[in-house]
Amino acid sequence: QKEVEQDPGPLSVPEGAIVSLNCTYSNSAFQYFMWYRQYSRKGPELLMYTYSSGNKEDGRFTAQVDKSSKYISLFIRDSQPSDSATYLCAMSILSGNTPLVFGKGTRLSVIA
Amino acid sequence: DAMVIQNPRYQVTQFGKPVTLSCSQTLNHNVMYWYQQKSSQAPKLLFHYYDKDFNNEADTPDNFQSRRPNTSFCFLDIRSPGLGDAAMYLCATSRLAGGSDTQYFGPGTRLTVL
Repeated sequence: QKEVEQDPGPLSVPEGAIVSLNCTYSNSAFQYFMWYRQYSRKGPELLMYTYSSGNKEDGRFTAQVDKSSKYISLFIRDSQPSDSATYLCAMSILSGNTPLVFGKGTRLSVIA
Repeated sequence: DAMVIQNPRYQVTQFGKPVTLSCSQTLNHNVMYWYQQKSSQAPKLLFHYYDKDFNNEADTPDNFQSRRPNTSFCFLDIRSPGLGDAAMYLCATSRLAGGSDTQYFGPGTRLTVL
């Protein structure tokens, strides 16, 4: 079992839809959870950052972490064509010189 | 704007011909990372520098080397590129080491091996 599992998609939704993107993980030591957005031919950019469990909201984006289920989600409300990108989840443990572990990314297309 | 810059954006090389990819940053971050990302795959960490200290991932092939002559610049050298090394190479920086600190990525260099 891989450390981080993410459905690669592609996921295609109409403009205005609510999008749900998810990752599961196996390492219970993960404490920091991030979502990166990667446009085609660009590097990833940090979208959301959550420590431990709970929800975090930023505009149209909400990140949820359920540590008991080892499951994280990113919700996008009122999706726009400009949201079309690959969304990568990433996570790390609390301390030490340990690397960030990425999911494979989910490719999202929002159709106008 | 402070940023992470990668040059070139696209690099074509021949099988076995050494190639060097460049990364520079204006963020004054201590840590610089090199990732390899193949199509529809997660970025794979190759190595990173915390200041001058080099940290190699256990499964990074010996074919891949890195240099960091100063805080701002970091280079990725591929000594004898094979067809399997064709990928996007991403440079990233962070203020602190460890995955909990935000990493800032450059736009990547797409490497083609003929």
